[in-house]
Amino acid sequence: QVQLQESGPGLVKPSETLSLTCTVSGGSINTYFWSWVRQPAGKGLEWIGRISASGSTNYNPSLKSRVTMSVDTSKNQFSLKLSSVTAADTAVYYCARTYYDLLTGPYGGWFDPWGQGTLVTVSS
Amino acid sequence: QLVLTQSPSASASLGASVKLTCILSSEHSNYAIAWHQQQPEKGPRFLMKLNNDGSHTKGDGIPDRFSGSTSGPERYLTISSLQSEDEADYYCQTWGTAIWVFGGGTKLTVL
Repeated sequence: QVQLQESGPGLVKPSETLSLTCTVSGGSINTYFWSWVRQPAGKGLEWIGRISASGSTNYNPSLKSRVTMSVDTSKNQFSLKLSSVTAADTAVYYCARTYYDLLTGPYGGWFDPWGQGTLVTVSS
Repeated sequence: QLVLTQSPSASASLGASVKLTCILSSEHSNYAIAWHQQQPEKGPRFLMKLNNDGSHTKGDGIPDRFSGSTSGPERYLTISSLQSEDEADYYCQTWGTAIWVFGGGTKLTVL
């Protein structure tokens, strides 16, 4: 059973870069795609981006200029960097597998499973 | 633009049934979606993938009380025999070509 765990600093200063890592266990990162999703307190979910094991990425257009995702298949991990953060980037950040079936194909899919989430606060 | 619309809140009594709605933008009315549940202070959990024809594939361990259906651009999640642990936020989610979108979520209160 695939499980995901986010890790990284819980506090980031404004204008700096947020960095998080997601460790995948119970399965290979070489299968399917892997996403980051965030949720500000009391608000809804926002997709940030997706990466494949080969490093191919898709980003939310609203965040694209600040987002970089990478993958380390030797460690079964993938990572998120979000630059020039402001208070608006304060949120719980989730990693998730982007799962798809034959009908959907690799350019779509849903999030299953999810990590437990990690709170990142942007503050000086 | 790919948009999902959900009512902000819903309520139903313990033991009753409730039907939550997610509406696809008109030009995307044949899209499949997924439903996710987020219990208080927890991360989301995948419930099911719901196809345009109403067929659905549920996640591991999701009870039979959860089912999905469709009508035109509307996608439904029906929860029967409501239990206290069903009180949660429910999000629909869909995808375009390499873009993923969530609805605003429905907060379900079990009375």
